[in-house]
This record gives sequence, structure tokens and C-alpha cells, in this order.
Amino acid sequence: DADVTQTPRNRITKTGKRIMLECSQTKGHDRMYWYRQDPGLGLRLIYYSFDVKDINKGEISDGYSVSRQAQAKFSLSLESAIPNQTALYFCATSVDRGELFFGEGSRLTVL
Amino acid sequence: QKEVEQNSGPLSVPEGAIASLNCTYSDRGSQSFFWYRQYSGKSPELIMSIYSNGDKEDGRFTAQLNKASQYVSLLIRDSQPSDSATYLCAVTQGGSNYKLTFGKGTLLTVNP
Repeated sequence: DADVTQTPRNRITKTGKRIMLECSQTKGHDRMYWYRQDPGLGLRLIYYSFDVKDINKGEISDGYSVSRQAQAKFSLSLESAIPNQTALYFCATSVDRGELFFGEGSRLTVL
Repeated sequence: QKEVEQNSGPLSVPEGAIASLNCTYSDRGSQSFFWYRQYSGKSPELIMSIYSNGDKEDGRFTAQLNKASQYVSLLIRDSQPSDSATYLCAVTQGGSNYKLTFGKGTLLTVNP
């Protein structure tokens, strides 16, 4: 089983719908992240969290919110999805020197 | 805006050759440097990390770091078709060990 698990792996939704992407990890890492990847734009940081009470915005947090339910769980929500949020989303965890360990990704399509 | 620059490629090399991937970064305070490999449709996988100037070797991979020139590279010796992927350079943002800035990646194709 993957150490960092994302659900759903693929999702198609419509403009205006609320959607949640979930991430859970068994690595025991305190730091968790959400990134999105778009062709030609690379990986961009949406939100990151050091623990349940410490959540921080990344470079592209507008239109997104997150919840850190436990040390091992970090969810990303799109309150009202729009087509330009169509992307591949990655959850990741990290340790002391910054190296990231990624989940398998969630491909989101907003019609 | 802190930047990490990579040639987008594609970089094409024959099987058995050395592939050389380059990355420059703008933040002089960066402390940790990483190379990730990403196959199409898959998640990035960490293949090398380097923290001090010089070379670091791991099997067929060698990472090179020159902080004065703000340059980090990855050499892949005896390239194999299975090395065909996008290689992402990532650099910690100055003074932090928890936020990475990624380059857009270089697509490597190894031809049999």
C-alpha cells in the first residue's frame, strides 16, 4: 500500500460544485502539503500544514480551503469549482530537510 | 519571486550515453536541493538530494551543486530507456526547510 494515499484518483465535476480531495499518510510525518500541477506551469503549492493547528497558504490558495483532521489526514476543498481548477493535484509529506514524498495524485476535471 | 529554471527539452540521448540535466535557481538562501523523476501521469519520485557544494553519487546518478553559481545538475550515466521521464529540480526557499520551489522540468528521452 502507498504511504501517501489520495482519494479520489479521478473526478469529473461541474462548475459550481463543491469537491473534496482527501489525503492520508502512514509515514508519520508532521508536514503535509497540497500541490497542483498544470502542463507548462509545473508544481505549485496550494496549502501546507505543520500540524493540526498550523495551516498556511501557499502561492495559489485562492479558491481552495484545507482541513487537517489529524496528523495523518489533510483534505483539500474546492468550495465552488471552476474550469481553470482542472489539474492534477498532489498531496505530499516531508521531513526535516525538505524532501517531499508524494501521493499518487488526483486528476480533477471541472466541466 | 523565487525562481528555478530548467531547460524544458526534450533532451534526447542514445541508450548507454550520459544524460546531463541542468538547473539554476535565484534564491541565494536556498539550502537543500532535490531531483525528482516523474513518469507521464505519475507522481514525482525523489531520486537525489544534495545539500553541500560538490558531487554526490548514487548508482548511475550524480548530483552536482555549485552554490556560488546557483547551479545544480544531474548526470545519468549509462542511460536506459526506462530513464525516459520528466526530471524536476526542486530547491528549498531561502531560510526554510519546508517549502520547495520546483522547476518546470526537463523531458528526457533515451533512445534504444
